[in-house]
Amino acid sequence: KAGVTQTPRYLIKTRGQQVTLSCSPISGHRSVSWYQQTPGQGLQFLFEYFSETQRNKGNFPGRFSGRQFSNSRSEMNVSTLELGDSALYLCASSQGRPPLHTQYFGPGTRLTVL
Amino acid sequence: AQTVTQSQPEMSVQEAETVTLSCTYDTSESNYYLFWYKQPPSRQMILVIRQEAYKQQNATENRFSVNFQKAAKSFSLKISDSQLGDTAMYFCAFMKQSGYSTLTFGKGTMLLVSP
Repeated sequence: KAGVTQTPRYLIKTRGQQVTLSCSPISGHRSVSWYQQTPGQGLQFLFEYFSETQRNKGNFPGRFSGRQFSNSRSEMNVSTLELGDSALYLCASSQGRPPLHTQYFGPGTRLTVL
Repeated sequence: AQTVTQSQPEMSVQEAETVTLSCTYDTSESNYYLFWYKQPPSRQMILVIRQEAYKQQNATENRFSVNFQKAAKSFSLKISDSQLGDTAMYFCAFMKQSGYSTLTFGKGTMLLVSP
């Protein structure tokens, strides 16, 4: 099976712009989770989608949003970018139900905000 | 809320030796999963091993094994016969069994394997 894919792999944006990141899960996986990784804060959970519904959300401002499509592909959007949004954004997919909760990660999207 | 603590920011080991990485966690949940992930310089997060809290037996995957102490809320990773390719950041992670697919990560331990 193909693994989790994320596009683009690298992005450079300027403050105030918005950005959309995409994630394609492993075939058959219905859950997609997003995480932000920074040197200072480590890995932080953004949100999780299951069957097109947001099931859980982390403690991030409303500028961070996401959605999931009927084919389980997911996008996350960050509006009005700030310097502090520079990070590696990781997407992970899973079956989404116990006992098959194990998450498998994509290679990440490196976002740089100038 | 759950917390995961990795008290060793960095560790080093020589090839072929054995090393143990520590992880403790805090939760009021009875049923949960614990994971070790590795993140090499490529930044790809790779699953190393998984443990279900209801299982008494410690999980093993080839050279990787865990010591799961539920009462002590401890979950250490032992790497035997260390290889240069094991050089990576290792993250301990917690997931509740009930509810959703959400991982809570520790800060990570950077493991350097030298020749």
